Parts: sequence; C-alpha cells; structure tokens
Amino acid sequence: EADIYQTPRYLVIGTGKKITLECSQTMGHDKMYWYQQDPGMELHLIHYSYGVNSTEKGDLSSESTVSRIRTEHFPLTLESARPSHTSQYLCASSPPGSYEQYFGPGTRLTVT
Amino acid sequence: AQKITQTQPGMFVQEKEAVTLDCTYDTSDPSYGLFWYKQPSSGEMIFLIYQGSYDQQNATEGRYSLNFQKARKSANLVISASQLGDSAMYFCAMREGAGNQFYFGTGTSLTVIP
Repeated sequence: EADIYQTPRYLVIGTGKKITLECSQTMGHDKMYWYQQDPGMELHLIHYSYGVNSTEKGDLSSESTVSRIRTEHFPLTLESARPSHTSQYLCASSPPGSYEQYFGPGTRLTVT
Repeated sequence: AQKITQTQPGMFVQEKEAVTLDCTYDTSDPSYGLFWYKQPSSGEMIFLIYQGSYDQQNATEGRYSLNFQKARKSANLVISASQLGDSAMYFCAMREGAGNQFYFGTGTSLTVIP
C-alpha cells in the first residue's frame, strides 16, 4: 500500500493569492497525477507525470502548473487564485509497470 | 461522448445483501483497463478492483467482483454481503491504451441500510 501525502488538507484563501498544493509519496512510484473534483461530481485529470522532469496536461483545462524535480514530490501551483478554483484537489501515484492509482487524502480549496 | 457512464446516481441495499453498480464505457482502443474506486464521506479515494481488457476471467477481490462483459462494454461492480461501512460513493474509471489519461464516471452513491 502506498503512502501518499497532501498538504494542506483544507485551505481558504483570497482571490489573487498564489498557492502551492503539496503532494508527496514515499513508495518510489514513477507516475503521479493531479485531479480536480467538484462536490458530488466525477474526477477530472488536470496534470500527470511519467517521471522526473516529465509533466503533461490532462483532459481538463487548468490554469495551474506542476513540477516534478524529485520522484517523490509533485506540487501544484496556482499563480492567482480565483473563486472558480474552489474545488477538491486529489493527488495520486502509480508504481512502475502498473496503472493502479493510489490517492492522497485530498486538499479542499476555497477561494473567496 | 462520455467515456464512462454510471447511470445510477444513488442505490440502496439491505445489509448482508449483494448489490450491483453499473458502469459502461466507450473506447475504440483494444487495450484498456477498468477500475473501481470507493470514496467515503472523508474524501479519500480507495482502489477496489482492476480489470484489463485482455483478461479472460472476471476480476475478484474479496467481496468485490467485476462483471466484465466486453461485447456490451460494461464493467459492473458486484459487492457481496454488504456492510454498513460500504456506504460511500463508487466511481468507475478507464485508462485507454498505454497512455496515462484516466476517465472517471460521475459516481454512484451507495447506502447500506441496517
């Protein structure tokens, strides 16, 4: 079972602020993902990474950016938060040779 | 077109009974994987079961089994002997080909009644 961590768990922030959502995993998984999920709705992939220095955009257009400088770390940054960014953000990872995704606990973001 | 369709927004089942959650998918890629996840009210996503498109047998994991009907493009989740702790949202998902794009359905809310 993977250990995958997200911080903060909850964040309330004002419009225009820059924020970074942290995601770390300790299992050496090569693939990592960021999803956005509105309450009661499906997950939408916004970013994924095959490995260090590899990032791709998902099927949902997002104003966020990601980086993958270390295997275990996959932070997501919003340069200027807006109320439309209010959502839950879920980070996941998959081990080499597998597509089973292990999810973190999520960050619930509210932009006022 | 929707890649994953879950037509049951909410389901109720009596404790200890079996329940089937429906999922249909749409892809033209011969290689794909199908997943089911459970999301309790706390928000985390818990992996339940996986079925590969080339797998000959239906996947099973404890009380969970996947009724895979390839010709009908359906991948229904069967939960046997329901427990109160099974109450949660359940999401069906698909990965196409060798890519890393995952598509999720809108989910089914399952409530287990004592």
